[in-house]
Amino acid sequence: KAGVTQTPRYLIKTRGQQVTLSCSPISGHRSVSWYQQTPGQGLQFLFEYFSETQRNKGNFPGRFSGRQFSNSRSEMNVSTLELGDSALYLCASSLALNNDLPETQYFGPGTRLLVL
Amino acid sequence: AQSVTQLGSHVSVSEGALVLLRCNYSSSVPPYLFWYVQYPNQGLQLLLKYTSAATLVKGINGFEAEFKKSETSFHLTKPSAHMSDAAEYFCAVRPQKDSNYQLIWGAGTKLIIKP
Repeated sequence: KAGVTQTPRYLIKTRGQQVTLSCSPISGHRSVSWYQQTPGQGLQFLFEYFSETQRNKGNFPGRFSGRQFSNSRSEMNVSTLELGDSALYLCASSLALNNDLPETQYFGPGTRLLVL
Repeated sequence: AQSVTQLGSHVSVSEGALVLLRCNYSSSVPPYLFWYVQYPNQGLQLLLKYTSAATLVKGINGFEAEFKKSETSFHLTKPSAHMSDAAEYFCAVRPQKDSNYQLIWGAGTKLIIKP
């Protein structure tokens, strides 16, 4: 079974631009979560989508948004890029995060975004 | 609020020596606990997880972790380090009774293996 794929793997943008990152979850997985990873802040949760609905959201500004399609593929968008948005953006999928089951999240390789 | 503390941002051990990576959580109710590993330029991979079934959890690549409620700890160990174990290790928790059931992550520990 194919793993979680993320495109593109690397991206260079300039301040003020916007960017869209894509994530294809493992087949059959309905939940997709996004994380930002930086050396200073570590792993920070952005948001989670389940069945095309945003189910949870972290503490990021409204410039960060996402969506999920009917095939569970997800995209995240960052508008008006800032230098501090430079990071590794990780996507993780799971069958369906449930409060009673400690399901495993499967991570993609990430998209490394550099904002100049 | 729930938090996770990983003691030591970097841990260095010699090849063949014991690996011990520490993780402590802050909750009166034991959460679900996870250890993930991240190799350079890759995403995270689950090593093992604690789900209340057994306090000693065995994972992949020879790693294991022991849940100790009295110490609120879930330290990761491996008897004999291998060069291929060099990576960053993350401990994460998920409260068992929480409507916002996202993982709470530790800051990570980079494991350095000396030849």
